[in-house]
Amino acid sequence: DAGVTQSPTHLIKTRGQQVTLRCSPKSGHDTVSWYQQALGQGPQFIFQYYEEEERQRGNFPDRFSGHQFPNYSSELNVNALLLGDSALYLCASSDTGNLAYEQYFGPGTRLTVT
Amino acid sequence: DAKTTQPTSMDCAEGRAANLPCNHSTISGNEYVYWYRQIHSQGPQYIIHGLKNNETNEMASLIITEDRKSSTLILPHATLRDTAVYYCIVRVANFGNEKLTFGTGTRLTIIP
Repeated sequence: DAGVTQSPTHLIKTRGQQVTLRCSPKSGHDTVSWYQQALGQGPQFIFQYYEEEERQRGNFPDRFSGHQFPNYSSELNVNALLLGDSALYLCASSDTGNLAYEQYFGPGTRLTVT
Repeated sequence: DAKTTQPTSMDCAEGRAANLPCNHSTISGNEYVYWYRQIHSQGPQYIIHGLKNNETNEMASLIITEDRKSSTLILPHATLRDTAVYYCIVRVANFGNEKLTFGTGTRLTIIP
């Protein structure tokens, strides 16, 4: 049973560009959350998708947007990249049917903005 | 969600039990305590969670005080692979509130 997968593993972009990161949830999971982790910090919640809609959002600007597909996979899009967007982007999946559920994290995508 | 307080770092000898404390004095009755760990450059890994009873699984034990204001994660026989940052998180487990609020965690170093 494959866990959460993310692509690409690493990415280098230039300021002002746009980037799309991808996530496939663990089998049987219907909810996907995205987190940003700057160097030396704990992960910060960006937003969560359930039934193809954004259900909860953290304190991130509108430059950060996402999408969830019918197969539950998800994309994170970041527009007008800033140097400060350099971070590890983590995807986590969960099964909403289990209220006290644990979230399973993928290995992350390391984004470097130059 | 209630805030948590953890020591910045801890050391533990290999083979001994590692006891990681967490203070969550403002926890409310419907908030669960979760523990995750993050090994360098990897995604966080779920360890265990509980509401008020002590819990045990194949990875660890979670001891929650009777007043629920603090808890301890116990790794019974620490190995070098347990070196990681450990995060204690409290969260209301209800539909629509799934976000995890990570603090800075405890950096646990297992010493050979």
